[in-house]
Amino acid sequence: QKEVEQNSGPLSVPEGAIASLNCTYSDRGSQSFFWYRQYSGKSPELIMFIYSNGDKEDGRFTAQLNKASQYVSLLIRDSQPSDSATYLCAVAEGGTYKYIFGTGTRLKVLA
Amino acid sequence: DTEVTQTPKHLVMGMTNKKSLKCEQHMGHRAMYWYKQKAKKPPELMFVYSYEKLSINESVPSRFSPECPNSSLLNLHLHALQPEDSALYLCASSQRDRANEKLFFGSGTQLSVL
Repeated sequence: QKEVEQNSGPLSVPEGAIASLNCTYSDRGSQSFFWYRQYSGKSPELIMFIYSNGDKEDGRFTAQLNKASQYVSLLIRDSQPSDSATYLCAVAEGGTYKYIFGTGTRLKVLA
Repeated sequence: DTEVTQTPKHLVMGMTNKKSLKCEQHMGHRAMYWYKQKAKKPPELMFVYSYEKLSINESVPSRFSPECPNSSLLNLHLHALQPEDSALYLCASSQRDRANEKLFFGSGTQLSVL
């Protein structure tokens, strides 16, 4: 059974701090890794994707991938109250549409 | 442009009704999907149309039936649903990026079955 695990939270951070969200996966054949943000009652929005080991930065977001440890993380710098949402980690085998989603981590940024 | 358009946004139906959910994308994506999401749970894949081929999650009951009239449109026909089918129904399409598929979701249809 292929699994993606996330801490459900809530993870509470003060405004302006760095929020660190973590995800582990079981399938070593996984090739693509995605982070989605989902506000309550809304649909998931793709915010980051990473395919290679290392860090990938986009604005305030950094995705980190370590395939040897089967670990992917998302850092949000200068967290804002508007970042408060559930963050879903998704993992897919290379070249396939078969995503496996984690259960999500709820992030609360306190003003 | 990463827009996937879904209608209606909200739907309330009785257990004897027949209704359809509609989804449209004009990004040239060749794969489209239906997902179901219950509150505080991750999305669950129901159906995929990828390059005109349908793939089905075998656990999806036959009261849900997908239809793909062309590569830009995807419908989900609903018939004789049960209250436990109440959920957020998400359409998505995917863009091939190197060897990977990037998934983009529509805004969803919040379905309530009475």
